[in-house]
Amino acid sequence: QSALTQPASVSGSPGQSITISCSGTGSDVGGYNYVSWYQQHPGKAPKLMIYDVSNRPSGVSDRFSGSKSGNTASLTISGLQAEDEADYYCSSYTSRRTVIFGGGTRLTVL
Amino acid sequence: QLQLQESGPGLVKASETLSLTCTVSGGSISSSSYFWVWIRQPPGKGLEWIGSVYYTGSTYYNPSLESRVTISGDSSKNQFSLKLSSVTAADTAVYFCGRDTAMTRTDYWGQGTLVTVSS
Repeated sequence: QSALTQPASVSGSPGQSITISCSGTGSDVGGYNYVSWYQQHPGKAPKLMIYDVSNRPSGVSDRFSGSKSGNTASLTISGLQAEDEADYYCSSYTSRRTVIFGGGTRLTVL
Repeated sequence: QLQLQESGPGLVKASETLSLTCTVSGGSISSSSYFWVWIRQPPGKGLEWIGSVYYTGSTYYNPSLESRVTISGDSSKNQFSLKLSSVTAADTAVYFCGRDTAMTRTDYWGQGTLVTVSS
């Protein structure tokens, strides 16, 4: 199974909004509302930020939001803060009863 | 609070079998609500889902690793394990264990353990 497609990097200034895309196929992203997003700081385990396309776990800031259109999911971070600088990964359930990750996107806060 | 901790050798010789255990505390791997998952991350690269086990013993594997992977659970010890056979340098990675809800999201993660494959 090929990884979901994410941009390698995005950047934004404090206070701005950025969006990270995650493209798949009808057998994963487009076929199910089971897209998740993870934040990973260097040397740390990933942290779940969004699940089921647009739901936030308890304790995750409402500056983080998710959406999906067709075979592409998106993560939007509004009001960028320095602490948001990290790697972000999307993942999706697939028709083969497996899970697939995106290649990851490095967010730089300028 | 649920906690997961990976354990096992940090160095494995090429062609041998990598074996890791994840010890779960603060929750039971026998719960019908969750899957228990292994995910890895080669140095400087992205995340790769390896596979998961359900409390019934049912397993689900990444097709690219399926021929070499075995994931199993031990409810008596509240642990689950990963075995990856015939390893090569490409299997060098940080290995994470986690709790997964219906294979839709991993909400709890271990800290990860680095396994290096040596020639």
